[in-house]
Order: sequence, then C-alpha cells, then structure tokens
Amino acid sequence: GAGVSQSPRYKVAKRGQDVALRCDPISGHVSLFWYQQALGQGPEFLTYFQNEAQLDKSGLPSDRFFAERPEGSVSTLKIQRTQQEDSAVYLCASSSQRGNTGELFFGEGSRLTVL
Amino acid sequence: KQEVTQIPAALSVPEGENLVLNCSFTDSAIYNLQWFRQDPGKGLTSLLLIQSSQREQTSGRLNASLDKSSGRSTLYIAASQPGDSATYLCAVRPFPQGAQKLVFGQGTRLTINP
Repeated sequence: GAGVSQSPRYKVAKRGQDVALRCDPISGHVSLFWYQQALGQGPEFLTYFQNEAQLDKSGLPSDRFFAERPEGSVSTLKIQRTQQEDSAVYLCASSSQRGNTGELFFGEGSRLTVL
Repeated sequence: KQEVTQIPAALSVPEGENLVLNCSFTDSAIYNLQWFRQDPGKGLTSLLLIQSSQREQTSGRLNASLDKSSGRSTLYIAASQPGDSATYLCAVRPFPQGAQKLVFGQGTRLTINP
C-alpha cells in the first residue's frame, strides 16, 4: 500500500477486556515497529520485527502485551485484560531496511481508551 | 541510557518568521537522527533523516543540522506559515545497544499565527 495502515483508529474498551490492534505496513518493508504514545509525550518503543521474527520485545510493559507478525507482513498487537494505564495511542512504523540506517514511516495510530 | 530533550516545549511565532527548534541527546553514539512532524490526532510524518556521518539535511524550507559530538540537533524552518503549526519530534537511533529502536524527545508544539 501507499502508507502504513492501522485499524481500528479508535477503540474504547472496558477495563478487563482484550483488544487487538492491526498494522498493515508498506508493502515489502522488512522491519516493523510498535510504539506507545501517552498524551503529551513522545512515542516509546514496544517491540520490533524483522520479517516474521520478533527480534526485540524489551519495551512491552507487561506480559499482558503480545505482538505477532506470522507471515512477515501484517502485524497484530494484542492487549489482554486491559487496564486504564494502557490508554494511549499505539503507533506502528515500518522500514525497508534491516539495518540501522533506515527511515521509519509511521501510521496514524490506534487510539485506545480504557474505561 | 539515551535521553532526548527538546526545548522549548511550546513556541508561538508570527507568520513569516524564521525559527529554530532544538534537540539534545545524552549519548553521542547514534546511528542517525530523524525529525518528525505530528498533527493533532495523527501519526508521525518523517521530515528529515540525518545519518551519523552527515552534518545537515535540507528539504524545501526545512534544514536540520547534527553535531554528534555535542549531542545536539537543530531544525530550522524558514519563512514560517500557519500550515507549519504542529508538534515536532526528534528521535535518535542509539548505537549499538537498542539499535533497532528510536528514542524520542517529548516534542515542541509549534503555533504559527497568521
């Protein structure tokens, strides 16, 4: 596709519900990243995939957060038993390069509100 | 641990002025630095990417400089327009630990007044 696509754009969940957020990266992009952005803050790294391999998940805040990219393209971020502190914008980014010099392209994000 | 700071947090200037946004980082060991723009409720749009071996990049009215040894970058916007109003974020890619993740500043919220 022309850009990184994320869905849903907005999600309201009751505390304790499970949610799934989808990211469709730019076609052919090898690297995929998830970031969490709290209100008024810069994004913070959650996890990184190179193709289907999850090479870094050091930023996931708890074991309630799980991400997958089974075929090396679309990725899903799943949050189990949501808590109010999970309320944030979840941003997905992709890059065409495996290395460390690639430019990142971000989607518009999925805004999660946990009541 | 790499930390990125952006000053000021907010800036309001009249249309037509040239302006400079500042970004500083604590560890000079980086692969690159990237400037982004974020409009309210939107994702991040990449503006400029500077590799660690470069000193500046230019795109239209934007010019970004990088002084890796002093841990500083500036984004210069010439002849500002109301459409430039947005939050500007800088991010560094640390070397070598955590090389796959960007570390962001908190952003500068820019308002250009007509």
